[in-house]
Amino acid sequence: QKEVEQNSGPLSVPEGAIASLNCTYSDRGSQSFFWYRQYSGKSPELIMFIYSNGDKEDGRFTAQLNKASQYVSLLIRDSQPSDSATYLCAVVTSWGKLQFGAGTQVVVTP
Amino acid sequence: GAVVSQHPSRVICKSGTSVKIECRSLDFQATTMFWYRQFPKQSLMLMATSNEGSKATYEQGVEKDKFLINHASLTLSTLTVTSAHPEDSSFYICSADNVGKETQYFGPGTRLLVL
Repeated sequence: QKEVEQNSGPLSVPEGAIASLNCTYSDRGSQSFFWYRQYSGKSPELIMFIYSNGDKEDGRFTAQLNKASQYVSLLIRDSQPSDSATYLCAVVTSWGKLQFGAGTQVVVTP
Repeated sequence: GAVVSQHPSRVICKSGTSVKIECRSLDFQATTMFWYRQFPKQSLMLMATSNEGSKATYEQGVEKDKFLINHASLTLSTLTVTSAHPEDSSFYICSADNVGKETQYFGPGTRLLVL
């Protein structure tokens, strides 16, 4: 079992719609959770982090965390073509290591 | 804040030569830096964790004698790919641990092509 799992996609989303990305993790002791965006040929950039159960909103992005279900998600509202990228979920494990998922490719279609 | 730079951004070298990649934290001190490798259409693979003033910790399967890491100061870590071969061609990305932020900030990456 991978420590951080994501659906590889591609997730096709019409422009203006909501993109919903999911991530599950295996280490129940994980406390910190991050979403990175990576454009093709570029390095990842941090877009959201969340530590507590519930929702955290930042602009068009909302991160949702459910530690009981070991599940973290990212919603992108009013999706734009510029949101087309691979989104990486990352989790700091109980032994302090940042583990990345394989990423979900999002394609926003005009 | 939290800017990480890498140099060079792109390098082409002949098989058998060595290549050095620099990673710098520009506006913060990083006691820990990380080196990743990413092949096309694959996720990031952690190669090693570099701690300032001590030996790097390598992930399983990564040859420490081939990928030399030096972290001489709180703002600079270097990765040297020794005796590079075509299979070492990849996108090498460093990141730095911003103490207190509990996350990593990535450099722009170095694309290595070994002919």
